Amino acid sequence: DIQMTQSPSSLSASVGDRVTITCRASQGISNYLAWFQQKPGKAPKSLIYAASSLQSGVPSKFSGSGSGTDFTLTISSLQPEDFATYYCQQYNSYPPTFGGGTKVEIK
Amino acid sequence: QLQLQESGPGLVKPSETLSLTCTVSGGSISSSSYYWGWIRQPPGKGLEWIGSIYYSGSTYYNPSLKSRVTISVDTSKNQFSLKLSSVTAADTAVYYCARRLEFDYWGQGTLVTVSS
Repeated sequence: DIQMTQSPSSLSASVGDRVTITCRASQGISNYLAWFQQKPGKAPKSLIYAASSLQSGVPSKFSGSGSGTDFTLTISSLQPEDFATYYCQQYNSYPPTFGGGTKVEIK
Repeated sequence: QLQLQESGPGLVKPSETLSLTCTVSGGSISSSSYYWGWIRQPPGKGLEWIGSIYYSGSTYYNPSLKSRVTISVDTSKNQFSLKLSSVTAADTAVYYCARRLEFDYWGQGTLVTVSS
């Protein structure tokens, strides 16, 4: 299985901050990488697919980059509604696997 | 707007079989070349892919669960289903259904507790 490692596992940030989350794959996955946002008690919401393509309806403050083994999710200006847990996921090979999550908390 | 909705018992006894159904609305499950899958999340933990079924009926399972999982599709009802046999307390989780391998649409999830 491909292991997905996210860092940091948690972070504290203020409204308006620029936040970057990193995801590393244990082997190359091309650009078959998705990012999700999950709020407590809710299903994950798809933000980005193919490493850098924004899902329809997702605000442009979210952006993704990377290819191969190293990927990033950036939130350009953190807003109160962005405090949540973020997961990366590879779908290059079976089984699809998720990172352990990054919890973004209010400073 | 595509919507997915999980349904099934919220409580299952140890050693029995967990059965869930995902009903798809706002689109046909068989009209496009999509995968339809199941993911679970134990309380307070991360996400685990269980398996997926292609619209044609081909199935793909997580090797860690393969011996206990069956996923099937009923195109006449626009539904697909999950069966997980020989459950234990470790199978207690919120179970989600989702579309495609990059999981662009999700159901709201259903909590299944394994307990006697």
